[in-house]
Amino acid sequence: ETGVTQTPRHLVMGMTNKKSLKCEQHLGHNAMYWYKQSAKKPLELMFVYNFKEQTENNSVPSRFSPECPNSSHLFLHLHTLQPEDSALYLCASSQDGSLAQYFGPGTRLTVL
Amino acid sequence: AQKVTQAQTEISVVEKEDVTLDCVYETRDTTYYLFWYKQPPSGELVFLIRRNSFDEQNEISGRYSWNFQKSTSSFNFTITASQVVDSAVYFCARAKNAGNNRKLIWGLGTSLAVNP
Repeated sequence: ETGVTQTPRHLVMGMTNKKSLKCEQHLGHNAMYWYKQSAKKPLELMFVYNFKEQTENNSVPSRFSPECPNSSHLFLHLHTLQPEDSALYLCASSQDGSLAQYFGPGTRLTVL
Repeated sequence: AQKVTQAQTEISVVEKEDVTLDCVYETRDTTYYLFWYKQPPSGELVFLIRRNSFDEQNEISGRYSWNFQKSTSSFNFTITASQVVDSAVYFCARAKNAGNNRKLIWGLGTSLAVNP
């Protein structure tokens, strides 16, 4: 595997379900990010982890719970989501410093 | 808010035409970085370029070129001799300040359709 991978690519869940999104980066980066992409809106930064420590939480509702066990893996645990949470969830990584963020293919989430 | 504006929501061209995607940004920072990303239908955002605000030299990479005009706060992207594979949504973004690339301010994107 190369770059940034995300699983699953598509997820449909009910409002009472609990699911997790997984992201893995194979680039040796130390920072990882979760973004939400909704139609007609700018990309929304949700969480940032740097060396496994959370450095950013952009007022994300507690029904989204991130986990970063090491610099290569990032999870987003989902529970009791709302239909408006349906979106494309993108994971990215970067090397500390002024370098670009590299993105995974995203998970298309639909909440029924 | 210091936003990034991509005024063109959708552009449609015929293959081999040149096309320019506009990006205008607002900032009070003296140093910052600018980016362009491509998002094909597969969904993955692909990094294209990063530009330091100190460097106003235009850049060319194959059929892609970028025109950075600090005086007008613009960072436009031109595709020469467009191809069908160039069809994608293109995003312009700015790093909030030069030392913190973790927070990017994104435009809404320009959807480019290149027709055969």
